[in-house]
Amino acid sequence: ETGVTQTPRHLVMGMTNKKSLKCEQHLGHNAMYWYKQSAKKPLELMFVYSLEERVENNSVPSRFSPECPNSSHLFLHLHTLQPEDSALYLCASSQDAGGAAADTQYFGPGTRLTVL
Amino acid sequence: RKEVEQDPGPFNVPEGATVAFNCTYSNSASQSFFWYRQDCRKEPKLLMSVYSSGNEDGRFTAQLNRASQYISLLIRDSKLSDSATYLCVVNNARSGGYNKLIFGAGTRLAVHP
Repeated sequence: ETGVTQTPRHLVMGMTNKKSLKCEQHLGHNAMYWYKQSAKKPLELMFVYSLEERVENNSVPSRFSPECPNSSHLFLHLHTLQPEDSALYLCASSQDAGGAAADTQYFGPGTRLTVL
Repeated sequence: RKEVEQDPGPFNVPEGATVAFNCTYSNSASQSFFWYRQDCRKEPKLLMSVYSSGNEDGRFTAQLNRASQYISLLIRDSKLSDSATYLCVVNNARSGGYNKLIFGAGTRLAVHP
């Protein structure tokens, strides 16, 4: 519906596991984003990619590792997470990362992550 | 001080009521402003942009006061389907030439029959 898909929709993992979240946008956009949404908290920007180049790392711990192989795909690799990392992880895209073209972001449905 | 502050609510209103949400932001250099809507366990979706001159989209009216760093959203003739969390969002330009959306924590609206 929104042109941005995310898999898996739900993920339960232990603290020693390694998993990856996948995002794909079908909108021809040049910018992609990862956000974290914890209960009762605002969305927090994690990473911004513009034309496959990372332009923002919002002080995210190294246990979160993003990858953008092309402008349509974005991954978030997870390893040795903590229970407090349990949250909804949202991917978004916009036409560009700057100017008016960055104003409207289209979100995927999110991956609800639980870390045991 | 939070960059974007909103009353979390919930606002419980009957169908047909008029309800107003307010939001304040801390960065006077913020460039553009929006209201997003987020349904329970769903992703945020853009509801409308907010302009200094005020703008209206059907039953929804948004207003921006740059001097007071204040944004509002008015919903007239509330419908059951308006029940959602309304996110106030500001766009701050970054030194690298790209923008960063700052989200408020949201105001929850519950419209009842």
